[in-house]
Amino acid sequence: KAGVTQTPRYLIKTRGQQVTLSCSPISGHRSVSWYQQTPGQGLQFLFEYFSETQRNKGNFPGRFSGRQFSNSRSEMNVSTLELGDSALYLCASSRDSGATNEKLFFGSGTQLSVL
Amino acid sequence: GQQVMQIPQYQHVQEGEDFTTYCNSSTTLSNIQWYKQRPGGHPVFLIQLVKSGEVKKQKRLTFQFGEAKKNSSLHITATQTTDVGTYFCAGSNAGNNRKLIWGLGTSLGVNP
Repeated sequence: KAGVTQTPRYLIKTRGQQVTLSCSPISGHRSVSWYQQTPGQGLQFLFEYFSETQRNKGNFPGRFSGRQFSNSRSEMNVSTLELGDSALYLCASSRDSGATNEKLFFGSGTQLSVL
Repeated sequence: GQQVMQIPQYQHVQEGEDFTTYCNSSTTLSNIQWYKQRPGGHPVFLIQLVKSGEVKKQKRLTFQFGEAKKNSSLHITATQTTDVGTYFCAGSNAGNNRKLIWGLGTSLGVNP
């Protein structure tokens, strides 16, 4: 079974630009979450999607948005990039059978550098 | 809001020594998960604890969930260089749409 796939692996952008990151979850997984990781800040939760609906949201500005498609693939978009948006963006999927939290499977991430 | 504090932030040990990281929540959790992230890698699920007072073992790793379900610990016996990485705990409150709240992680270094 293929793991969680994130593209692209690396990205360099300049301030003011926008960026779209893609995540393909493990086949059969219905929940996709996005995290921002910077050194010393741990994993900052961005949002979670389930059945094409945003189920949970973190404390990020509206410049950060996401969506999920009917095949569970997800994209996140960051508009008007700032230097502080430089980070590793991780996507995680879970089966989400509805009972309780299930383990997350993370992708390798997209390393975004904003110059 | 709900917070999960993890200590220590960093720890270096000599190979063969034991290591423990602690996770404390400001609210009662319905469950807690532990992940390990190797340098340059992505977080990998280790275990989930659900029951009050639960203790689970994976080889040299021992995980505990407190009686009040507000704290948890991960203990590694006789560390090895392969244990190097950052260990994260993540707790969930059933009343919060099962949103996971993450600790900042404990970075473990092991000197051979």
